[in-house]
Amino acid sequence: ELQLVESGGGLVQPGRSLRLSCAASGFTLGDYAMHWVRQPPGKGLEWVSGISWNSGIIDYADSVKGRFTISRDNAKNSLYLQMNSLRLEDTALYYCAKDSGRSAYDRPNYFDYWGQGTLVTVSS
Amino acid sequence: DIQMTQSPSSLSPSVGDRVTITCRASQSISTWLNWYQQKPGRAPRLLIFAASSLQSGVPSRFSGSGSGTDFTLTISSLQPEDFATYYCQQSYSSRISFGQGTRLEIK
Repeated sequence: ELQLVESGGGLVQPGRSLRLSCAASGFTLGDYAMHWVRQPPGKGLEWVSGISWNSGIIDYADSVKGRFTISRDNAKNSLYLQMNSLRLEDTALYYCAKDSGRSAYDRPNYFDYWGQGTLVTVSS
Repeated sequence: DIQMTQSPSSLSPSVGDRVTITCRASQSISTWLNWYQQKPGRAPRLLIFAASSLQSGVPSRFSGSGSGTDFTLTISSLQPEDFATYYCQQSYSSRISFGQGTRLEIK
């Protein structure tokens, strides 16, 4: 059974850092692009970042560009999100999501599997 | 960046109603439009991809249509388990974006 399990969330002060992980099982992570999507409490979905199967194509939302870094270790079947200079508005449930293709240009592409999320709370 | 606008923001239909949700893109996205359903405390679930293709396991009462900038999600006969929030998502750009969501509330 395909599973995505996020970890690494928690309470952190503004300006500090946090690293999220997403462990994949039931499929070969290296065959697919992966993404991070976040959802502030009571609000809608916001795409954060995406990475192609071989890390050759990486994109970020403007709201996190320069502060967050997405990476992957296909040998470990794991996806990561390094979050630096955290702000109050970064408070959200962070989901990792599997793309249907190898990159954003592998059309059609969509998010066919999602983890259950890890909560990041930025507060002083 | 491509902006996605859904309407309405919320809806209060009855069981058995035909429901239509609209999504508009700020520029043409061909048919690279996906629809997701999210229930409280749960991760989103893919319903429709590439504007009109039904994801495996999704009931046939769900359908999607549209191309260019205007898209619709239709639920032909609303069931109790369909009360949820629905999001559109464009995958035309590698910088993916979602609509703000449409919440279906029990009347």
